[in-house]
Order: sequence, then C-alpha cells, then structure tokens
Amino acid sequence: GEDVEQSLFLSVREGDSSVINCTYTDSSSTYLYWYKQEPGAGLQLLTYIFSNMDMKQDQRLTVLLNKKDKHLSLRIADTQTGDSAIYFCAEREDSNYQLIWGAGTKLIIKP
Amino acid sequence: ETGVTQTPRHLVMGMTNKKSLKCEQHLGHNAMYWYKQSAKKPLELMFVYNFKEQTENNSVPSRFSPECPNSSHLFLHLHTLQPEDSALYLCASSQDGTTSGGLGELFFGEGSRLTVL
Repeated sequence: GEDVEQSLFLSVREGDSSVINCTYTDSSSTYLYWYKQEPGAGLQLLTYIFSNMDMKQDQRLTVLLNKKDKHLSLRIADTQTGDSAIYFCAEREDSNYQLIWGAGTKLIIKP
Repeated sequence: ETGVTQTPRHLVMGMTNKKSLKCEQHLGHNAMYWYKQSAKKPLELMFVYNFKEQTENNSVPSRFSPECPNSSHLFLHLHTLQPEDSALYLCASSQDGTTSGGLGELFFGEGSRLTVL
C-alpha cells in the first residue's frame, strides 16, 4: 500500500538551515503537504506543493519536489527556536482525497 | 471561539470504563475527522464524516464508536479500551471531505491525551 517515510529526528544549530526529507509512494498524488505540530498543539498546515511543480518558496520555507524519485523536502532557512516542532509530510490520495501521513520529524534546535 | 475545540484535553480511564471525547468546530466546515496519533507512527485516520454521514471507517475496533449529530460536533465514545489504545486523539475539520479541486486543508484541534490503565 501507499507509504510516506521520514526521519524521526533532526537536530540543527540556531541560525543554520534545516532540511527535512520525505519519500512517498503514490505517484498520482496531486497535492503534497507539510504540516507543523508545535508542543501541546494540533497540526497546522505549513505549506503545500502541487505535483506539477518542482519548487515552491515562501519566505524562509522552500519546498522541493522530485517526482522521479518521489522525494519531497522542506528547507527552513535561518532556523529559529520557534521552529521547534514536529513536521509531518503527507500526500493526498486522488482516489478518495484522504491524506497519507508520515510519522513526523521532530526538529530540535541547538543554541 | 477558536477553530476546532476538543474536550477533555486529558483523560485517564480504566479498561472497563465508558467515556467520550468531544470535538466542536466553529469554521462552518462540512467534514470532520478523528485521527489517532501515537509516538513515532504515522497519523492513523479512524473516521470521516462528510455532511454528517460517515464516509470512512478504517477498520477501527468497535470499542471506538463515533457520533456526528451535526456538522459542527463530533464525538468519540470509548468503552472497554485496551492499554495500547493510549494515544493522542486528534479531531480535524475541512471544508469538504470529498472535494476534487480544492486544497483540502485540515484544521486540527489540540487533541485529547488518552491514557488507559
């Protein structure tokens, strides 16, 4: 079945760039998403990308999509302490529009 | 009122208890969802309601019983749970669960942390 995989942890120094990676299996997905979950909170949509795009930039966030390798990445420039959170990658099944989720990557910021 | 509100935030129950989780959304959405979040595992979709009708039930054990009396409210009734059911239960809503053209953004509540003893 469909599967979304991502590393469980990423540790970066404050001010550095963070790159969170994700691989997915459903090549027909129209949308791919990054959701952010801050401590004690629910998930919130951070950004998304259409499957016909290679890159999307939004202020400090850059999403890269490699459809051939089914690889999605989220780059956060100038990582701040407020970026500490769990970042979930998800793809949307075009058959029933439900999301398939990764396990989340916990971003740890070192001073 | 915040977008999606869940109560209680924390719940501890024994295996023989009966309890309920409540979710309310103030966004005028038509679809509501229950997800189970366990550490180091992908989010598990449990139930989907679209215009008050259940459209998804992902092989969830019958000890979890959802109820959707209207488009703004969603309940998850719990009975005879097992310790492995301990998790964070997240409620979410979206404009339309079956949209074909829209982004389909999900709006989540803060979750109900359930501990089964």
